[in-house]
Amino acid sequence: QKEVEQDPGPLSVPEGAIVSLNCTYSNSAFQYFMWYRQYSRKGPELLMYTYSSGNKEDGRFTAQVDKSSKYISLFIRDSQPSDSATYLCAKAAGNKLTFGGGTRVLVKP
Amino acid sequence: DAEITQSPRHKITETGRQVTLACHQTWNHNNMFWYRQDLGHGLRLIHYSYGVQDTNKGEVSDGYSVSRSNTEDLPLTLESAASSQTSVYFCASSADNNYGYTFGSGTRLTVV
Repeated sequence: QKEVEQDPGPLSVPEGAIVSLNCTYSNSAFQYFMWYRQYSRKGPELLMYTYSSGNKEDGRFTAQVDKSSKYISLFIRDSQPSDSATYLCAKAAGNKLTFGGGTRVLVKP
Repeated sequence: DAEITQSPRHKITETGRQVTLACHQTWNHNNMFWYRQDLGHGLRLIHYSYGVQDTNKGEVSDGYSVSRSNTEDLPLTLESAASSQTSVYFCASSADNNYGYTFGSGTRLTVV
């Protein structure tokens, strides 16, 4: 079993819709969780990080951690075509990150 | 501006050849990482370093080596390239106690 699991998608939504992305993880020892965004043929870039449980908002993006269910979620409100990318969740241990496989998102105009 | 650069962007090599991929960062970060990215596997950690002269194996280190002689550079060497090492390779760096990795733009390696 992989430590961090993601549905690979693709997830296709119309412009303006809410995008909902999920990850599950298998080890309860981790405290920090991240979401990275990766455009085609580019390196990943940090979108958000969260610590422990609860929600964190940043503009149109909300990251949610449910430690009891070992579930990490990312919501994108009012999605734009420029949000079309692959989204990777990650969990942190020491200074190392373990990544999920990524979910490809396509926002259609 | 500080940056992290990888070279070359694309490389084609033959099976059995030694290949070195370069990674250079000007963030003055202590931590540097090499990942490979493949369809169906996501980003997998190859090697990492927490400072000069420090190197550690990741989950897919067989056939790869790194050395850290200064803060700025962490070259990745494929000792004897194999077709299974055809992949996109990403270098990343981070400051201590900071999980906000900064990634390079990647090197697309094809082994024929």
